[in-house]
Amino acid sequence: NAGVTQTPKFQVLKTGQSMTLQCAQDMNHEYMSWYRQDPGMGLRLIHYSVGAGITDQGEVPNGYNVSRSTTEDFPLRLLSAAPSQTSVYFCASSYSGSRVNTLHFGNGTRLTVT
Amino acid sequence: AQTVTQSQPEMSVQEAETVTLSCTYDTSENNYYLFWYKQPPSRQMILVIRQEAYKQQNATENRFSVNFQKAAKSFSLKISDSQLGDTAMYFCASSGGSSNTGKLIFGQGTTLQVKP
Repeated sequence: NAGVTQTPKFQVLKTGQSMTLQCAQDMNHEYMSWYRQDPGMGLRLIHYSVGAGITDQGEVPNGYNVSRSTTEDFPLRLLSAAPSQTSVYFCASSYSGSRVNTLHFGNGTRLTVT
Repeated sequence: AQTVTQSQPEMSVQEAETVTLSCTYDTSENNYYLFWYKQPPSRQMILVIRQEAYKQQNATENRFSVNFQKAAKSFSLKISDSQLGDTAMYFCASSGGSSNTGKLIFGQGTTLQVKP
């Protein structure tokens, strides 16, 4: 049982490049989300999904796109990378119902934009 | 808007001693959950403890316990018999109530160093 798998673990981009951060979970969780972690700011929600085909914005969505075509996968797309997007990115998933708020996290992707 | 505040950026404690990390939050929800997550240098996010707001009894998990003061909107974490493996960043987080969808609001984090 792999849990939540994020790839890649590290990535360096140049300003203006695009890329996709991959996230997959094998726990049949309905809820999935993306957070970014910056020093002194904790984790902030970028986008989230309550099920396949349903996504919504979080606190800091600008510059990022998501889609949820299957229950298992929730990729995060950076359309045109900017230095302000240098951060550590976490994908998380959870069940619906009473355990909805107990998140299971991936191991994170450290992204550097130069 | 919900907010979570951790006012201690860094703390240290001697091995085997007890330390308390502070957290305050603000929410308009009636039913919500509070969490403490641990992030060691490996970057992994590990759930330490979970508290449901409608339960008055403070949650405990082995050496970890919380002091939940609902009226004061305070949720501190006590680590007893500190171990070197407790060295990590600790995040306090809160959730929504009836509208919750697995979205958490995190505090800024407290870096804890356990000294031998």
